[in-house]
Amino acid sequence: AIRMTQSPSSLSASTGDRVTITCRASQPISSYVAWYQQKPGKAPNLLIYVASTLQSGVPSRFSGSRSGTDFTLTISRLQSEDFATYYCQQYFSYPRTFGQGTKVEIK
Amino acid sequence: EVQLVESGGNLVQPGGSLRLSCAASGFTFTTYEMNWLRQAPGKGLEWVSYISTSGRSVYYAESVKGRFTVSRDNAKNTLYLQMNSLTAEDTAVYYCARDPLLGFGELSSTGAFDIWGQGTLVTVSS
Repeated sequence: AIRMTQSPSSLSASTGDRVTITCRASQPISSYVAWYQQKPGKAPNLLIYVASTLQSGVPSRFSGSRSGTDFTLTISRLQSEDFATYYCQQYFSYPRTFGQGTKVEIK
Repeated sequence: EVQLVESGGNLVQPGGSLRLSCAASGFTFTTYEMNWLRQAPGKGLEWVSYISTSGRSVYYAESVKGRFTVSRDNAKNTLYLQMNSLTAEDTAVYYCARDPLLGFGELSSTGAFDIWGQGTLVTVSS
């Protein structure tokens, strides 16, 4: 199975900060990475697919990029509603696998 | 409104069985591949199973292979997960998720999940 190593596991930030979360795939997966946001007690919400395409309705402060097997989610200016846990996921092959998650907390 | 609603979660003893359902509405269920995922309490997301639009193609995580069976009834717009030989490690919130074709050109693919249900809790304990 492809392993997705996500970092950091948690971070503290303030409203207005720029936040970057990284996932590294254990083997080449082209651009088949999705990013999700999950708030406590809720189902995950798709933010980005194919590494950098914003899902409809997702604010433009979210962006994704790829460099080889490294994938990055960036929140350009953190808003209060962005405090949540974020997951990367590869869909290059089965089994689909997720990163361990990054909890973004208020500083 | 596009919606997925899971049901069937419950407290079950180790070794027991349970069947989860996922009712779809607001979209043409027959044209979408579907998946089950789960999240143990306080843990991350784990993909469990996939089923094609016709139901003829299925995949499973190694952790559930041979114990879980995914199926769908396109006439009823419903996805199912039959879970047998349950253990404490199967305790989790179970989500169904829609698996659309997303992307452009050569990179278009299924595999990113755009609609999720609210989840149903399965607790395996004596």
